[in-house]
Amino acid sequence: GQNIDQPTEMTATEGAIVQINCTYQTSGFNGLFWYQQHAGEAPTFLSYNVLDGLEEKGRFSSFLSRSKGYSYLLLKELQMKDSASYLCAVREDTGRRALTFGSGTRLQVQP
Amino acid sequence: DSGVTQTPKHLITATGQRVTLRCSPRSGDLSVYWYQQSLDQGLQFLIQYYNGEERAKGNILERFSAQQFPDLHSELNLSSLELGDSALYFCASSASGANVLTFGAGSRLTVL
Repeated sequence: GQNIDQPTEMTATEGAIVQINCTYQTSGFNGLFWYQQHAGEAPTFLSYNVLDGLEEKGRFSSFLSRSKGYSYLLLKELQMKDSASYLCAVREDTGRRALTFGSGTRLQVQP
Repeated sequence: DSGVTQTPKHLITATGQRVTLRCSPRSGDLSVYWYQQSLDQGLQFLIQYYNGEERAKGNILERFSAQQFPDLHSELNLSSLELGDSALYFCASSASGANVLTFGAGSRLTVL
């Protein structure tokens, strides 16, 4: 089975930087994903890490440490539209391509 | 528009009833996944199909069933509905060998 932990809620200020952490315990590992989900809407893909290190994509970066079972999503130059839930998800190394999601971190960006 | 189409968008029904949710994957995607998201809960994986065959099963109740048809669209059947089945049901699809799942807009089911 899998256990994926991330903070329930975070608050940050417009223009600032925020880091959302995710820890996981899995019997196998074949990739870690971050999705953004606005309330009542579909999750949308943000980033994918399968090797250790940092992946940067515009204002968003994601880091992975497989030995520590740890990832973070870094959001820079926060905008009001970044207020959303951020979902950490893991795919097990079983050939099954379905993702197991954490409960999500609700980020509130304040002016 | 993600390219994954789900119908209906909203559905209100009574306990004990049966409903069918429909999903059309993105053009060319062979895999379809169903997820349930209850209020303030994470996405719970229900079931996956690949090219018409069941590939993986998650926490899907026996009252729920799904299938994927030759044209690759999928249906999720929910029967003997209970209040606790009220949730957003998302369908996602992926291309063969692809890493990313693309989600549809969801079907919001309310059981009264």
